[in-house]
This record gives sequence, structure tokens and C-alpha cells, in this order.
Amino acid sequence: EVQLLESGGGLVQPGGSLRLSCAASGFTFNSYAMSWVRQAPGRGLDWVSAITGDGGDTWHADSVRGHLTISRDNSKNTLYLQMGSLTAADTAIYYCVKGSSRSRPYYFDSWGQGTLVTVSS
Amino acid sequence: EIVLTQSPGTLSLSPGERATLSCRASQSVSAGYLAWYQQKPGQAPRLLLYGTSSRAAGIPDRFSGSGSGTDFTLTISRLEPEDFAVYFCQHYADSRTFGQGTKVEI
Repeated sequence: EVQLLESGGGLVQPGGSLRLSCAASGFTFNSYAMSWVRQAPGRGLDWVSAITGDGGDTWHADSVRGHLTISRDNSKNTLYLQMGSLTAADTAIYYCVKGSSRSRPYYFDSWGQGTLVTVSS
Repeated sequence: EIVLTQSPGTLSLSPGERATLSCRASQSVSAGYLAWYQQKPGQAPRLLLYGTSSRAAGIPDRFSGSGSGTDFTLTISRLEPEDFAVYFCQHYADSRTFGQGTKVEI
């Protein structure tokens, strides 16, 4: 059974930094692309970042490019999202999401339960 | 970037009724790379359909998808109480954008 367990969320001040982690199990981690999708309170789904199975290629939404960075450690079966220069607009639940294949195109076939990031003073 | 527009914003129906949800793309969706997700309150989304009409594992056959080009439809043939939720479409080829969602409420 696929399991995705996010951690690292919390309350952070504007301008601050945070690193989210996602521990994956139940599948061959390096064989699948992974993504982060966020959802602001009461809003829809917003794709944030994606990374190929081998970590060689990454993509980021225009709205986060430059202050959010996706990475992975296949030896630890873990996905990361480094977050910096945070603003209130980054307040959201962040979901770790498994892609259906190693590289594009892929749909999101498994979702973690999410971790809440709140940016506020 | 392809923009997905879902309609209606809210669908008010009763258990046993048929639900028809629309997802319209601003440009043609290549090779039918269109997925649907369901999200219940307080839960993470889950995959319902991919490739326009293929059901994900464990999804009952009352859920079906159709469409091509720029117009896609999710149909729930007979609503069960557990189907009242928000549904999102997603284009997963050239971009990974989601529609804004349709809420199916009692």
C-alpha cells in the first residue's frame, strides 16, 4: 500500500523559511515522479512543484519559482520542499503527491494527508 | 498554459439522482490527458478517473468520464451519500493545472 507522510509544516513569520518532508513507502520510490500540490484555506488545488523519478529534472509553478524548491533523496525514499521568503500567499495545506509514472505525462495517483503551513506574524 | 473551467460551481442534488459535471479547457487537451479527483471535507483529494475515462483502482462504476478536445464530462449515474464532495478536473500533459472545482451538495 502506498503511503505518503508529510511533516515539517507549522507557523512561520513572513520572510521566514521552512522545509517540508514527505516519507514515502509501499512503492519503488525512484521509479515515479513526485509533486507538491497546495490548497489555500477554502480554495482549490494549486500545483506547486514536480520532480522526475531520478531527480534530474524539476519544475515549479510561476508563482513559487525562486522561493520554493523541490528535491528528493531516493536513498531515503523522501521528497522535500524547501520554502523561503514566505508570504501570506503561501499559507496552505501542502500535499505530497505521487505521479503515475517516472516522467511526464502522469496523473496524481496517490496523495498524502497534507501538512499545514501558516505564514503569519 | 491551458486553463480549465468547471461548471457548475455548485450542484444541488439528492441521493439517487444523476450528476453531470463539466470541465472545459481553453485549448485542446492532448491525447485525452484529463483526470478527475474527488475531495471530501477534511480529506486529501483522491484520484477518480484518468485518461478521460479510465477509472482508478477501487472506484465504482457509477463514476464515468467522457469527452475530447476541449470539453469533458464526469458523470455520477446514481448519487450515493458518500459522493457529496468537491470534484476537480486536471490536465496532466503540457501543464498540471486544475479546474476550480464543482461542489456536489445535497
